[in-house]
Amino acid sequence: QQPVQSPQAVILREGEDAVINCSSSKALYSVHWYRQKHGEAPVFLMILLKGGEQKGHDKISASFNEKKQQSSLYLTASQLSYSGTYFCGTESSTDKLIFGTGTRLQVFP
Amino acid sequence: DTEVTQTPKHLVMGMTNKKSLKCEQHMGHRAMYWYKQKAKKPPELMFVYSYEKLSINESVPSRFSPECPNSSLLNLHLHALQPEDSALYLCASSQVGREYEQYFGPGTRLTVT
Repeated sequence: QQPVQSPQAVILREGEDAVINCSSSKALYSVHWYRQKHGEAPVFLMILLKGGEQKGHDKISASFNEKKQQSSLYLTASQLSYSGTYFCGTESSTDKLIFGTGTRLQVFP
Repeated sequence: DTEVTQTPKHLVMGMTNKKSLKCEQHMGHRAMYWYKQKAKKPPELMFVYSYEKLSINESVPSRFSPECPNSSLLNLHLHALQPEDSALYLCASSQVGREYEQYFGPGTRLTVT
């Protein structure tokens, strides 16, 4: 079953922060995050493994709570280049990689 | 070279046509993938090849036929498609064991008329 992301869409001004959540009904081995800009291919951002770790990529970081089967992506001091659709991807015992429902992020000047 | 290339970029075909989509990578990746993506939806996994062998077929209709002739190339043969098969078809590759870190090609925009 597909992971559910919230919110579905976010509109920000440059410099504002946002949080995108990803929730699965399955026990997860790992969570991955991708960003897809309009008309382009998805680009891998980061992976989070079991253990509740938090990772960072520039001003984008993420956490993974394996007990709750949830992950959150944190975007701080957003830039115009952050615009795009963010997908979480999950790996479980039955699924190698299933993409979440997606969150569309638009950053305006 | 971290690029995955796909040809053609756009394809329009009738329901009785036979066509092929091509994907190529030179990163030494031994896992390759086909995804289907509808507008405003996430990519849906169709096929996975590992070491040039089909390892996953996500119950895809037989009108889609994948082929991996060597470690750098991946084809998707199309025959007797339906209008609902119109979508963006994405190819991706990764190292085996690092399936979470996939490199995607730009996709082929397919329209079935």
